[in-house]
Amino acid sequence: DAGITQSPRYKITETGRQVTLMCHQTWSHSYMFWYRQDLGHGLRLIYYSAAADITDKGEVPDGYVVSRSKTENFPLTLESATRSQTSVYFCASRISGQETQYFGPGTRLLVL
Amino acid sequence: EDQVTQSPEALRLQEGESSSLNCSYTVSGLRGLFWYRQDPGKGPEFLFTLYSAGEEKEKERLKATLTKKESFLHITAPKPEDSATYLCAVQADGANSKLTFGKGITLSVRP
Repeated sequence: DAGITQSPRYKITETGRQVTLMCHQTWSHSYMFWYRQDLGHGLRLIYYSAAADITDKGEVPDGYVVSRSKTENFPLTLESATRSQTSVYFCASRISGQETQYFGPGTRLLVL
Repeated sequence: EDQVTQSPEALRLQEGESSSLNCSYTVSGLRGLFWYRQDPGKGPEFLFTLYSAGEEKEKERLKATLTKKESFLHITAPKPEDSATYLCAVQADGANSKLTFGKGITLSVRP
């Protein structure tokens, strides 16, 4: 049971470059989420998706783009990375009708 | 605006020394309160969901309780392997899946 996987696990990039973080889940959960975690802040929601082709903004969406063409995948793209986007990014998912979210292992992103 | 405050920020216990972690929240109608455990370099691991005041849930040495303003995570006779950061989150009615997280409590249990 693979659950949720994220790739890459670590990424170093430069300011202005485009970066895509991948999230894949094997549970067929309808809902998927992207969070970022920074020192001094709790986990903050970037974007979420209720189903394929349905996405919505969270608390901190600026500078990020998401898509969801297949239920199992939910990529997060930083179109032009900035230093303030250095963070740990977590993907999560949940079943429709239940509230508990289950998290992936995270991607550590450093923007130089 | 929904708010979650966890205290203390850090807690050091001796093995076997029971204690409680606090999560105070302000939300316009609680849909659910969640506790997660997070180990260094890993994603949050689900522990409990509580839905209404008075509800309690237990798992091994952990017991979560809920009132209308706060939740407690009681740790009975902790072991070093209980060392982790414990996260609390709330979901408000009509929040459309949005969880509001606290900053977490880092627990260290010395053998």
